[in-house]
Amino acid sequence: DGGITQSPKYLFRKEGQNVTLSCEQNLNHDAMYWYRQDPGQGLRLIYYSQIVNDFQKGDIAEGYSVSREKKESFPLTVTSAQKNPTAFYLCASSRRGDSYEQYFGPGTRLTVT
Amino acid sequence: SQELEQSPQSLIVQEGKNLTINCTSSKTLYGLYWYKQKYGEGLIFLMMLQKGGEEKSHEKITAKLDEKKQQSSLHITASQPSHAGIYLCGAAYYGNNRLAFGKGNQVVVIP
Repeated sequence: DGGITQSPKYLFRKEGQNVTLSCEQNLNHDAMYWYRQDPGQGLRLIYYSQIVNDFQKGDIAEGYSVSREKKESFPLTVTSAQKNPTAFYLCASSRRGDSYEQYFGPGTRLTVT
Repeated sequence: SQELEQSPQSLIVQEGKNLTINCTSSKTLYGLYWYKQKYGEGLIFLMMLQKGGEEKSHEKITAKLDEKKQQSSLHITASQPSHAGIYLCGAAYYGNNRLAFGKGNQVVVIP
């Protein structure tokens, strides 16, 4: 079955440590996205990539970094520079363009203490 | 400023009752996507609307986009506990290759 996987489901880190969240898709989609979801805030775009080896900052990119070396993979690193990293992180993918629905992974809940 | 407003923020309905939630954009939409989310899980795609006046239905859920393409409603007929969750609308705008999401409508269905 085609889909998007995110791992792990739950992640715990100490403050000051970088952490990388995994996102893999086998839908053959060109575009991939990372969102952050906080209670009452809806989804906010962190980074997105329309094609391999290219990505753009979203609305809240500060303290995060990404890479897109393979079409199937779009890992997100939460760095120690991110002030409030505890949140629910969602990865999505879509066909390239602005008229195609985004397919979402199950999410990773990151807790930093 | 928030481009998309969803209302009501939350609502509680008794099983079997109908309900309507709304998504309003401050700008003309290229397309409008409705998603459903269970707490702590990913988003499930429901429907996409693109033409003014368009209406789509799937099982007991009907979504409409107004003629001006700035407001969408999602109507659930004879609600069931399985309809409970957070409904999010995502907007595509002309010249912008990303979706903007509203804050969601939380729906609770009481048996």
